[in-house]
Amino acid sequence: GEDVEQSLFLSVREGDSSVINCTYTDSSSTYLYWYKQEPGAGLQLLTYIFSNMDMKQDQRLTVLLNKKDKHLSLRIADTQTGDSAIYFCAERSGGYNKLIFGAGTRLAVHP
Amino acid sequence: ETGVTQTPRHLVMGMTNKKSLKCEQHLGHNAMYWYKQSAKKPLELMFVYSLEERVENNSVPSRFSPECPNSSHLFLHLHTLQPEDSALYLCASSQGAGELFFGEGSRLTVL
Repeated sequence: GEDVEQSLFLSVREGDSSVINCTYTDSSSTYLYWYKQEPGAGLQLLTYIFSNMDMKQDQRLTVLLNKKDKHLSLRIADTQTGDSAIYFCAERSGGYNKLIFGAGTRLAVHP
Repeated sequence: ETGVTQTPRHLVMGMTNKKSLKCEQHLGHNAMYWYKQSAKKPLELMFVYSLEERVENNSVPSRFSPECPNSSHLFLHLHTLQPEDSALYLCASSQGAGELFFGEGSRLTVL
């Protein structure tokens, strides 16, 4: 069945780049997403990439997609303390906008 | 007012109680979703409603009963729950297969 995996924790220093990785199993996924969840809040869509793209850049965010290896990554440049949150990778699988989420990567940014 | 509003934000109930979670979206969307976020598992899709019709029921136990009386409101009726049902229940909405907008969630504790 569909599965999305992420490492659970990442710690970076303020100002450095963060790279959060994700692997997925459904090769027919059309869209892949990155969501951010801050404490006590719901999920907020950060960015997404269509499966026929290799890369997408949006300000400090860069998404890389390796479709052959089913690997997705999110790079956050110049990471700030406000970026501390849980980041979820998700693939769109099947109809009705069904998203399969990973367990989330907790990003901790320290001075 | 926020796009997707969930009430109550926190709920404690005994295993014999009956309670309901409410979700309201002010975005004019035509699809609504219930997700379960527990500590030990990735986000799990529970139900999807499209144009007020249930289109996805992800093998959810019958002690969870959804209701979508109109395109702006979604309920999750709870009865005879188990302690393992304690989780954060997230509601989301979308316009068709577009971006999911999440509420802040209802934190449920079953004693």
